[in-house]
Amino acid sequence: EAGVTQFPSHSVIEKGQTVTLRCDPISGHDNLYWYRRVMGKEIKFLLHFVKESKQDESGMPNNRFLAERTGGTYSTLKVQPAELEDSGVYFCASSRGLAGVYEQYFGPGTRLTVT
Amino acid sequence: AQKVTQAQTEISVVEKEDVTLDCVYETRDTTYYLFWYKQPPSGELVFLIRRNSFDEQNEISGRYSWNFQKSTSSFNFTITASQVVDSAVYFCALGGAAGNMLTFGGGTRLMVKP
Repeated sequence: EAGVTQFPSHSVIEKGQTVTLRCDPISGHDNLYWYRRVMGKEIKFLLHFVKESKQDESGMPNNRFLAERTGGTYSTLKVQPAELEDSGVYFCASSRGLAGVYEQYFGPGTRLTVT
Repeated sequence: AQKVTQAQTEISVVEKEDVTLDCVYETRDTTYYLFWYKQPPSGELVFLIRRNSFDEQNEISGRYSWNFQKSTSSFNFTITASQVVDSAVYFCALGGAAGNMLTFGGGTRLMVKP
């Protein structure tokens, strides 16, 4: 069974540009989560999808971030326009059920560098 | 609000030593879940263990063991006879009853020297 995959593994963009990160969850996992870790800080929750619906987006930092999960399969996270403080590692995770009852499986992350 | 504290930012041991990674949590939920993840140099977070708040039994898996103490809000992780391959960043995380997110500690970087 394939794990959670993320693309790209690394992205370097200039301030003001747009970047789209992609996450493919484990097949059959209805729950998909985005987290990020900015330099020197903890891994922080961004949002949670159940199938194609946003269940909780309380962690999204501002309206420059837009997440979608069309058809309840893969998800994209767009940052537009990117700012320097958006640099960090963006992790995607998926689970069969809710975060507590079922473990979340994480992808390798996308390292975003905004210059 | 939930909070996870991993006071040890970095630990260095020599191979075959035992090492304990500390994790202290705060939550108002009566039902909650605790996790440990390992992040090797390749970057992905590898799931190690999940415990729920009603199960305080300690768990052992090979060289790994976990000590859950509700009285002190701690969920410590011990590696016995450490090996170089254990070198990684280890994260403790807390999941609440709502089940929609994990709250992570800052991580502990473990370096095992040969």
